[in-house]
Amino acid sequence: DQQVKQNSPSLSVQEGRISILNCDYTNSMFDYFLWYKKYPAEGPTFLISISSIKDKNEDGRFTVFLNKSAKHLSLHIVPSQPGDSAVYFCAASAIGAQKLVFGQGTRLTINP
Amino acid sequence: DAMVIQNPRYQVTQFGKPVTLSCSQTLNHNVMYWYQQKSSQAPKLLFHYYDKDFNNEADTPDNFQSRRPNTSFCFLDIRSPGLGDAAMYLCATSRDGVVGGHTEAFFGQGTRLTVV
Repeated sequence: DQQVKQNSPSLSVQEGRISILNCDYTNSMFDYFLWYKKYPAEGPTFLISISSIKDKNEDGRFTVFLNKSAKHLSLHIVPSQPGDSAVYFCAASAIGAQKLVFGQGTRLTINP
Repeated sequence: DAMVIQNPRYQVTQFGKPVTLSCSQTLNHNVMYWYQQKSSQAPKLLFHYYDKDFNNEADTPDNFQSRRPNTSFCFLDIRSPGLGDAAMYLCATSRDGVVGGHTEAFFGQGTRLTVV
C-alpha cells in the first residue's frame, strides 16, 4: 500500500533546462509535503516543503507546486545544474502524525 | 559539525548474529526515527521514539528492536539478521512535529548493513 508514489524512477535533463519531478499521494489526511535530496553514500537532506494550505512554495531555483484535488505535487528546478544530479524523495506527513511517509525516489541526472 | 551521526557507516554481520547500529544527535530533538531503505525503494519507517515513548510500525518484524537510553542516543538492534535485512538503515530526528505543525526530519548518513 504505497501512499506516496514517484512513478518515474529516473529523469535526465540538460544543464540549464527545467527539471520537473512528480509525486502522487493517496492519503487525504496528508497535510504537509517535503522534498529531500540524496547523494550516494549520504543521508537524505531536506530541500523544500509545502503546507496543504498553500499551492506553491519557492526557494531560489526550487519551486514546489501542490494540487490537492489531484493529490499531486511537483518539484521544479530551474535552471538545472550538474550539482543537482541526485535522487529526489517526496515525503508526506498526516495531520497529527509524527512521521514521514516516503516515495520511492527519482534519480535526476543533469547532463552538461 | 554533523548533527545526526550514525555509526558505523558500513557494517558486515553474519547470518543470525545479533548486530547493533547506533545513532546520536546534537539537535536535542524530541523525536528519533529508524528507517530501512532497500535499493530503489522508499525509505520504510521501522519505529520512532517521541521522547521515551516507543512507537512501533505494525509491519516491523519482531527481529528489530530499539533502545533510546537518553535524548541524544538511539540504537537499532537486529536480533537475528537474515539475508533480507541487508539494507541502508537511516536514523533521523525531528523537533516536536505535532506541535510544530510539520515534521521536517534531519537524517544521518546511514549505515549500510551487509549480511553474509
